[in-house]
Amino acid sequence: GQQLNQSPQSMFIQEGEDVSMNCTSSSIFNTWLWYKQDPGEGPVLLIALYKAGELTSNGRLTAQFGITRKDSFLNISASIPSDVGIYFCAGPSPSSNTGKLIFGQGTTLQVKP
Amino acid sequence: DSGVTQTPKHLITATGQRVTLRCSPRSGDLSVYWYQQSLDQGLQFLIQYYNGEERAKGNILERFSAQQFPDLHSELNLSSLELGDSALYFCASSDRTLEQFFGPGTRLTVL
Repeated sequence: GQQLNQSPQSMFIQEGEDVSMNCTSSSIFNTWLWYKQDPGEGPVLLIALYKAGELTSNGRLTAQFGITRKDSFLNISASIPSDVGIYFCAGPSPSSNTGKLIFGQGTTLQVKP
Repeated sequence: DSGVTQTPKHLITATGQRVTLRCSPRSGDLSVYWYQQSLDQGLQFLIQYYNGEERAKGNILERFSAQQFPDLHSELNLSSLELGDSALYFCASSDRTLEQFFGPGTRLTVL
């Protein structure tokens, strides 16, 4: 089945540093969603992307829809301790016309104060 | 707060038992989705309901079933529970867009 591959798997950075992570697929996606999950909580939608090449920001977060439609990128600028968590990319299954989402395995971010 | 509520927050039960997880979607959302999150499998789609009707099915076990009621709340029923069913179960809802909003989850522990 379709898979979304996220990299890196984990990151340990210093507060104030910028962060970049990406998500790739062997299939074309028409929508990319980025979520953040805190331990024991539900994923929270950060950014939604609908168009190839689209660049969208949400505060210190910026996400891009790759031109090939097979990848997406998330950048966090000037990281702070509350950025700690797991970041997931997700997209609706290309083989389905429903809202079924496929999730990447996540990138775990740790920020050292 | 996403506006999606789930009960209970935690559930501890024994193998062979049956449990029901409950979800109330955001006001106005017609679609409800159920996901399972375990350490080794990540977030896996189970099933989707739209306005009371089943819309899509993932790798949901036959021991699991769900329904969406006229007031749009949904229940996920898990029966003949096994140790491997221990996981976080999330409900999400959406309107006509693809943006899904997740509830806080139910942590199921099967002993």
